[in-house]
Amino acid sequence: GAVVSQHPSWVICKSGTSVKIECRSLDFQATTMFWYRQFPKQSLMLMATSNEGSKATYEQGVEKDKFLINHASLTLSTLTVTSAHPEDSSFYICSALALGLASSYEQYFGPGTRLTVT
Amino acid sequence: GEDVEQSLFLSVREGDSSVINCTYTDSSSTYLYWYKQEPGAGLQLLTYIFSNMDMKQDQRLTVLLNKKDKHLSLRIADTQTGDSAIYFCAESINQAGTALIFGKGTTLSVSS
Repeated sequence: GAVVSQHPSWVICKSGTSVKIECRSLDFQATTMFWYRQFPKQSLMLMATSNEGSKATYEQGVEKDKFLINHASLTLSTLTVTSAHPEDSSFYICSALALGLASSYEQYFGPGTRLTVT
Repeated sequence: GEDVEQSLFLSVREGDSSVINCTYTDSSSTYLYWYKQEPGAGLQLLTYIFSNMDMKQDQRLTVLLNKKDKHLSLRIADTQTGDSAIYFCAESINQAGTALIFGKGTTLSVSS
């Protein structure tokens, strides 16, 4: 099946520093990847849609200058949290779009990255 | 705007059936999904149903869709302790099924 990995799985950083999270589709190519944020006991909130070779599309309320997304290849998208603050602490999950059965698109999710900003 | 509602908790005994319910608001949703999330992990797609279907069965999982009432349910037969997890219902809000709105998740607790 389609496998999506994320790296790192857990990161602790100091306030004011930047953190890069990688999302890779391991056995398929993904022109579209998504980045979500999940707070404890809450649902996933879509932050942005990452398209290979073009600019990401951000959801309303998400600062594009703070959450930099780069989708430089068909198997890799990165999310950089710039000048991180404690309120950015969260679980960040990526997903990659693949063509599934019956010609429907399916999202395959990575295992998530837990970011703690101190 | 679009919204997906789920009950927050469900507790069952091992071997019983579990039924997790979900309501959604966007009547134009093309696909509806069920995802499973184990502690500290990402989401695993369990199953999905196309909006013109009423029911879909996949081994122990049965999905029922009542489009008129915008109600979706997931039934897990012979629930096992390994089924303990958070289950998210999601609706697609575009034709391709790529833009998803998630519910807050139902925590299923299975006791032996």
